[in-house]
Amino acid sequence: NAGVTQTPKFRILKIGQSMTLQCTQDMNHNYMYWYRQDPGMGLKLIYYSVGAGITDKGEVPNGYNVSRSTTEDFPLRLELAAPSQTSVYFCASSGVQERSTDTQYFGPGTRLTVL
Amino acid sequence: GIQVEQSPPDLILQEGANSTLRCNFSDSVNNLQWFHQNPWGQLINLFYIPSGTKQNGRLSATTVATERYSLLYISSSQTTDSGVYFCAVGINSGSRLTFGEGTQLTVNP
Repeated sequence: NAGVTQTPKFRILKIGQSMTLQCTQDMNHNYMYWYRQDPGMGLKLIYYSVGAGITDKGEVPNGYNVSRSTTEDFPLRLELAAPSQTSVYFCASSGVQERSTDTQYFGPGTRLTVL
Repeated sequence: GIQVEQSPPDLILQEGANSTLRCNFSDSVNNLQWFHQNPWGQLINLFYIPSGTKQNGRLSATTVATERYSLLYISSSQTTDSGVYFCAVGINSGSRLTFGEGTQLTVNP
């Protein structure tokens, strides 16, 4: 299993540009999450999904959109990039099939800079 | 929302020393996890421990849910233990996690 994969690893955007951060998991997990981590800080939840077709806002959803059309994929969309969105973005997943049902597994992250 | 406080914020150790990291939370939880973020940024789940005690090699964790705290013990520390340790809690199973600000651990040779 590859686990949770994210693309791209790095990206530089100009103010006002848009982009989609990709996230895929191959563990058949029901739950998927997007977090952002600012320098020297903990992670903050942006959006999460409890299954295909179901998404909900987290702590810091403004400026982002998500969709979940399949169990495996959970893309994060930035519509009008702003410098405040400069951060490292992590995708995670967890499932109900495992013994430790809520253990979250993280992808390697996407480092985004908005100039 | 639920508040998570970790202490100490920074910790510097010599290789071979033991350490205890603490996580306090403000409300009852059904989900508590400890993570290690290595110097390259990768987040690794160490323990899923909403209550009780678990051990994995040199690491162990204890959560006293009724008193709203969790402890992570690192014994015989190694330089590869360096990084940031995060505690994260959730109210419901499978739900969103709230992360603490982390403990930055540096283990010197």
